[in-house]
Amino acid sequence: QVQLVQSGAEVKKPGASVKVSCKASGYTFTSYGISWVRQAPGQGLEWMGWISAYNGNTNYAQKLQGRVTMTTDTSTSTAYMELRSLRSDDTAVYYCARDTQRYLGYCSGGSCYADYWGQGTLVTVSS
Amino acid sequence: SSELTQDPAVSVALGQTVRITCQGDSLRSYYASWYQQKPGQAPVLVIYGKNNRPSGIPDRFSGSSSGNTASLTITGAQAEDEADYYCNSRDSSGNHLRVFGGGTKLTVL
Repeated sequence: QVQLVQSGAEVKKPGASVKVSCKASGYTFTSYGISWVRQAPGQGLEWMGWISAYNGNTNYAQKLQGRVTMTTDTSTSTAYMELRSLRSDDTAVYYCARDTQRYLGYCSGGSCYADYWGQGTLVTVSS
Repeated sequence: SSELTQDPAVSVALGQTVRITCQGDSLRSYYASWYQQKPGQAPVLVIYGKNNRPSGIPDRFSGSSSGNTASLTITGAQAEDEADYYCNSRDSSGNHLRVFGGGTKLTVL
């Protein structure tokens, strides 16, 4: 069965960086992408970006451009999301999700969506 | 602000039908996907594409689209359907970026 297992909770100071991992199993890693989504306390879902596990292409939300980097390690079927220059409003639960967009502009079955999600990683930014 | 607009809250009587809507210009060109999220849990995909349900999602959930509006309909709402619902699709930039609606809190009375 498809599983995405994320790394544990983090507490960071403002200005620091955080790197969250997402280990995939139960499917061919390079046949899909990985999307990252975050949710601040009591708020809605925010799409952060996407990475192709097929060729490493990325596509980031404009508001995070320059602060976020998404990578994959195909040898371990693991995706990573690094966020730099952390601020208090980056405090959120961060989710990874398997995405049907295999490479930019191509989605399995013609529609793009995230079908399996990790359990979430709480990142707290506090001085 | 979100490019996909949802009503913040909707209520439905137990066993009745409810429609949750999502509006945005990009929906004229792209399908929405819908996610259910219960407190303290990760989102769960309930509808994708034109009107497709992942395995394990009850058939009381259905999706539709017309013009700039996508809809999620629950026919015969159950107590366990009480949750937040989010739509997601591409934004209107043409750059394959995605965006979520603000979410709708569904209360089953």
